Amino acid sequence: GQGVEQPAKLMSVEGTFARVNCTYSTSGFNGLSWYQQREGQAPVFLSYVVLDGLKDSGHFSTFLSRSNGYSYLLLTELQIKDSASYLCAVRGTGGYKVVFGSGTRLLVSP
Amino acid sequence: NSKVIQTPRYLVKGQGQKAKMRCIPEKGHPVVFWYQQNKNNEFKFLINFQNQEVLQQIDMTEKRFSAECPSNSPCSLEIQSSEAGDSALYLCASRGQGLNPLYFGAGTRLSVL
Repeated sequence: GQGVEQPAKLMSVEGTFARVNCTYSTSGFNGLSWYQQREGQAPVFLSYVVLDGLKDSGHFSTFLSRSNGYSYLLLTELQIKDSASYLCAVRGTGGYKVVFGSGTRLLVSP
Repeated sequence: NSKVIQTPRYLVKGQGQKAKMRCIPEKGHPVVFWYQQNKNNEFKFLINFQNQEVLQQIDMTEKRFSAECPSNSPCSLEIQSSEAGDSALYLCASRGQGLNPLYFGAGTRLSVL
């Protein structure tokens, strides 16, 4: 079946970095998205990747390896306000559904 | 920033009552999704549309939920007879044609008492 897996929690320190991992298994691949979601709020779009490699978007960067069914979201120069859940979502082929992981709750401490 | 508009933000219903929520997709986005997110942050796909046509939906949606995306009117999702287990955050998202990401509205938080 199709699935998207993420670690439930991640802790890091202000000023350093955090890497949020995502592994997926889908029928085909038509793109992977990363979202930030704060408690009680809707997901906010961060990044969308369809090709292998690293996509640098400043504070957020994303990496994709389609052959390994793997992506990560890299946050650099962490701030306390980066504490949130980060969701990975994958669109397969042969359908229109987008499958979401349960999110990784990132806690940035001083 | 997302331009998907969902109303109402909060909805409180008794068991057996109807619960209706609306969504205006971002202008120019022909594809609309509805998801249910539970208290464990798990996403459940409910239904999606391309323009006014249903693309996919799950069994639950077929039986107790009704949804539509009429032209020139907001999309809507209605639970015909609310159950306690329907309490969740209902998220509407839209995207452009082709390989594009989803953009979410603020959601409607439904509480069924």
